[in-house]
Amino acid sequence: GDSVTQTEGQVTVSESKSLIINCTYSATSIGYPNLFWYVRYPGEGLQLLLKVITAGQKGSSRGFEATYNKEATSFHLQKASVQESDSAVYYCALSEPSGSWQLIFGSGTQLTVMP
Amino acid sequence: EAAVTQSPRNKVAVTGGKVTLSCNQTNNHNNMYWYRQDTGHGLRLIHYSYGAGSTEKGDIPDGYKASRPSQENFSLILELATPSQTSVYFCASGDQDTQYFGPGTRLLVL
Repeated sequence: GDSVTQTEGQVTVSESKSLIINCTYSATSIGYPNLFWYVRYPGEGLQLLLKVITAGQKGSSRGFEATYNKEATSFHLQKASVQESDSAVYYCALSEPSGSWQLIFGSGTQLTVMP
Repeated sequence: EAAVTQSPRNKVAVTGGKVTLSCNQTNNHNNMYWYRQDTGHGLRLIHYSYGAGSTEKGDIPDGYKASRPSQENFSLILELATPSQTSVYFCASGDQDTQYFGPGTRLLVL
């Protein structure tokens, strides 16, 4: 079945430094899955951060970017300069464009930004 | 703005008891979903629905039932709660390529 892998469970970065959170995926469909980053701030539910549904394209939101790399089956999340308010749990996810459209999630990465 | 609400937000239940988690959406989405999220794991799909009267099994349906009496409401039912069902439960509604999540329900089964 489909799967999403986030290798870093926790990441700590100093404020104003750059960030990359790794995400790779495996999809069984003959097409290409839709790819997402969701974020969960402390005490809140999941929010969609960005999505990309076309291979090769880049999504961006709130200073974060992620590029759909179908050759490497990756969708890494990057930000040039993080802020303390970016501290949250980040989830990479995919959905197959058919049937239930269910989301398959990675295990999440806890980002802590140090002042 | 998309709105998905869940109740209760926190619940303590006893082993063997019945638990009902409720979800309401005002997005007029056909699809609704129940996930659970455990430490070290991503969210995993329990049940989903394509519309009123429809319920489908997700990846981990054992021990759970679902009910979709209307477009707006989708419930998750634990008939005989067990400690292994202690988790955070998220409801979502969605159109074809985006899902909108509720704030979550933290369930503790003692």
